[in-house]
Amino acid sequence: AQSVTQLGSHVSVSEGALVLLRCNYSSSVPPYLFWYVQYPNQGLQLLLKYTTGATLVKGINGFEAEFKKSETSFHLTKPSAHMSDAAEYFCAVSDPPGANSKLTFGKGITLSVRP
Amino acid sequence: DGGITQSPKYLFRKEGQNVTLSCEQNLNHDAMYWYRQDPGQGLRLIYYSQIVNDFQKGDIAEGYSVSREKKESFPLTVTSAQKNPTAFYLCASRALQSSGANVLTFGAGSRLTVL
Repeated sequence: AQSVTQLGSHVSVSEGALVLLRCNYSSSVPPYLFWYVQYPNQGLQLLLKYTTGATLVKGINGFEAEFKKSETSFHLTKPSAHMSDAAEYFCAVSDPPGANSKLTFGKGITLSVRP
Repeated sequence: DGGITQSPKYLFRKEGQNVTLSCEQNLNHDAMYWYRQDPGQGLRLIYYSQIVNDFQKGDIAEGYSVSREKKESFPLTVTSAQKNPTAFYLCASRALQSSGANVLTFGAGSRLTVL
């Protein structure tokens, strides 16, 4: 069984500061890893994904994440926070693709950005 | 533009009433999913369907029912048996490609409030 742990429910940073959102996973097979973002009262939007190959993955809006197998982690970072980054962020893990592949989501982290 | 349309956006229901949430996609995706979102609990899978006229229970199927009579449509009925139906409901879809990652496309969600 797969699982995702996102420690803490809320992160607050100042505008221009580094954003670091942590994600640890558990998977019995090589994982596919994802970060999604959700703005208030909207659906989820894919930020970035790791499948195979390069472990540093770049996504939209200046975000990136690094897959570290030894640490079973996939932390999301952005060098400089913008006010528009305020949202809820979900990490997810999936089996390798196939008809029965399903996503397992973490509980999400709310990012606040202070002026 | 292709996407997923969920309706209604907001819905109020009296206790003891069934209610149906609509989900329509024009992405030609094979698989469709229903998730429930509660604050601090992330996304939990209710039902999913990989092909027309077939669907499977997710982690929290009790009190819900679905149908998949057309590839484009996957309505969710919240029945009176669901003890705590007030939540944000998200519909998602994906193409079943063995070479592709398990990337979901989400609708904008439906917020159900039981009065």
